[in-house]
Amino acid sequence: AQSVTQLDSQVPVFEEAPVELRCNYSSSVSVYLFWYVQYPNQGLQLLLKYLSGSTLVKGINGFEAEFNKSQTSFHLRKPSVHISDTAEYFCAVSDTGYSTLTFGKGTMLLVSP
Amino acid sequence: DAGVTQSPTHLIKTRGQQVTLRCSPKSGHDTVSWYQQALGQGPQFIFQYYEEEERQRGNFPDRFSGHQFPNYSSELNVNALLLGDSALYLCASSLDRPYYGYTFGSGTRLTVV
Repeated sequence: AQSVTQLDSQVPVFEEAPVELRCNYSSSVSVYLFWYVQYPNQGLQLLLKYLSGSTLVKGINGFEAEFNKSQTSFHLRKPSVHISDTAEYFCAVSDTGYSTLTFGKGTMLLVSP
Repeated sequence: DAGVTQSPTHLIKTRGQQVTLRCSPKSGHDTVSWYQQALGQGPQFIFQYYEEEERQRGNFPDRFSGHQFPNYSSELNVNALLLGDSALYLCASSLDRPYYGYTFGSGTRLTVV
């Protein structure tokens, strides 16, 4: 069985500061990893995904994530956040290309001026 | 090009009643998945439909059932509603190809009173 742990339920940060949202996973097989963002009253939007290859993955809106197999982590980073980045961020894992997603509980990113 | 469309956006039902939620997938997509997102939690997989059949199912009771129509649209039915069924129900569509990725709708907010 797979599981995803997002270690922080909320991360407050000032505008233009860097941010890291942490994600750890457990799985007995190869995994595929995803980060989604959810703005208020909206569905989920894919930020980035790791399927194979380079462990550093770049996504939309200036976000990137690094897959670390030995630490079973897939942390999300952005060097300089904007007010508009305020949203809920979800890390997710699947174990095959066709498989459904297992999500973490989410991290609320709160960006203030 | 419209994305995933869900209806209704909000719904209030009484315990014991039955509810039907609807989803129109993104144009060209043939696979529909349903997720339940309780307040403060990540989405949890309910089931997935492909070629009008339930292909995968998560850990949800038989009170949760679904259907997919020839035009790929889908319905989620919940019988004998419980207070704990109150949640945001998300529909996600995809193509039946590995790693293709999901497009999520904005969800239906169900409140059971």
